[in-house]
Amino acid sequence: DIQMAQSPSSLSASVGDRVTITCRTSQSINIFLNWYQQKPGKAPTLLIYTASNLQSGVPSRFSGSGSGTDFTLTINNLQPEDFATYYCQHNYNPPHTFGQGTSLEVK
Amino acid sequence: EVQLEESGGGLVQPGGSLKLSCGASGFTFSGAVMHWVRQAPGKGLEWVGRIRSKTNAYAKDYIPSVKDRFAISRDDSKKMTYLQMNSLKTEDTAVYYCTTFDYWGQGTLVTVSS
Repeated sequence: DIQMAQSPSSLSASVGDRVTITCRTSQSINIFLNWYQQKPGKAPTLLIYTASNLQSGVPSRFSGSGSGTDFTLTINNLQPEDFATYYCQHNYNPPHTFGQGTSLEVK
Repeated sequence: EVQLEESGGGLVQPGGSLKLSCGASGFTFSGAVMHWVRQAPGKGLEWVGRIRSKTNAYAKDYIPSVKDRFAISRDDSKKMTYLQMNSLKTEDTAVYYCTTFDYWGQGTLVTVSS
């Protein structure tokens, strides 16, 4: 099974900042990686699919990059509504494991 | 508008059974891979399993911890997917989501406790 290593586990930032979250997989998954945002008490929402494709309706300040085993989610110009928990997940073959999550908090 | 709606959660004793249902609308259900994902209280997301489409022989995959206890099924005529959970353990306590990954239900809470 493919293992996911997401970092950092938590991150403090301010409105207007740029933040980066990384995800490393234990073997190559090509570009089959998704990023999600989850707010307390709500279901996750898909932000980025196949590593770098922005899901419809997601603001362009979100971007994803990477291939193989190393991936990055970048959020530019943080907005108040972006403070949430973020997860990576591979969609290469089952089990489609999630990363441990990154809690993005207000500094 | 795409909608996924889970139902069937509740309180069950260890060793008991529960069947979750998920109704879909707004997309071509018959061609979609349907997944179940769970989230224990205060914890991260855990992929549980999936069922593929008729084209792929309704193939199913599960995580090892539920493989011999849980069963996913679907009824394309009703646009429904199901998660039959048997021999439930306290560690199965979680909110269970059905999802296509781009769309998610609101989740249903399963509590396994005596």
